[in-house]
Amino acid sequence: EPEVTQTPSHQVTQMGQEVILRCVPISNHLYFYWYRQILGQKVEFLVSFYNNEISEKSEIFDDQFSVERPDGSNFTLKIRSTKLEDSAMYFCASSGKGFTEAFFGQGTRLTVV
Amino acid sequence: AQSVTQLDSHVSVSEGTPVLLRCNYSSSYSPSLFWYVQHPNKGLQLLLKYTSAATLVKGINGFEAEFKKSETSFHLTKPSAHMSDAAEYFCVVTLTDSWGKLQFGAGTQVVVTP
Repeated sequence: EPEVTQTPSHQVTQMGQEVILRCVPISNHLYFYWYRQILGQKVEFLVSFYNNEISEKSEIFDDQFSVERPDGSNFTLKIRSTKLEDSAMYFCASSGKGFTEAFFGQGTRLTVV
Repeated sequence: AQSVTQLDSHVSVSEGTPVLLRCNYSSSYSPSLFWYVQHPNKGLQLLLKYTSAATLVKGINGFEAEFKKSETSFHLTKPSAHMSDAAEYFCVVTLTDSWGKLQFGAGTQVVVTP
């Protein structure tokens, strides 16, 4: 069964460092998303991406964040200068044409120290 | 704006007894509603979805949910809990004009005791 895969499963980084979280969406999907879940809090929408551009983003997704689909298969989330409060589980998701559901990856746990 | 409230943060059930996870939503427009499950160290898996068709929705692993517009509820049920149902469950809402921007509830942790 097709699935969304995320790497790495756990990333530890120093505050101020850049980090790139990687995702391989399901191959024929058109819409891509990033969500995050800070420990003990709700899963929150960050950004959606379609046709090589951001279609919607939340107030969390500020200038420190960027997304890219560099090669037609990977979908990445970059955080330029990480802060302690960026520590969270980050989920990638994708959906097909005419959205009926979003398929999620297993998540990347980012720890900023 | 839409939002979703899961009324129980933790639910403990005995194996073989019914499971009820409660969810209420608020939405100005016709919502689509979902239940996702997350097992430890696993991704979010879709259990079932409501997208304005039948109000009683059947999902995987024996789960079902009923959309009640008058009560703005979308409670998840299963007649007989199994040990493998121990996980965290999320009620999720999205607007039909904002595909993919899912609004998650806080989650309900389900514990199943033998």
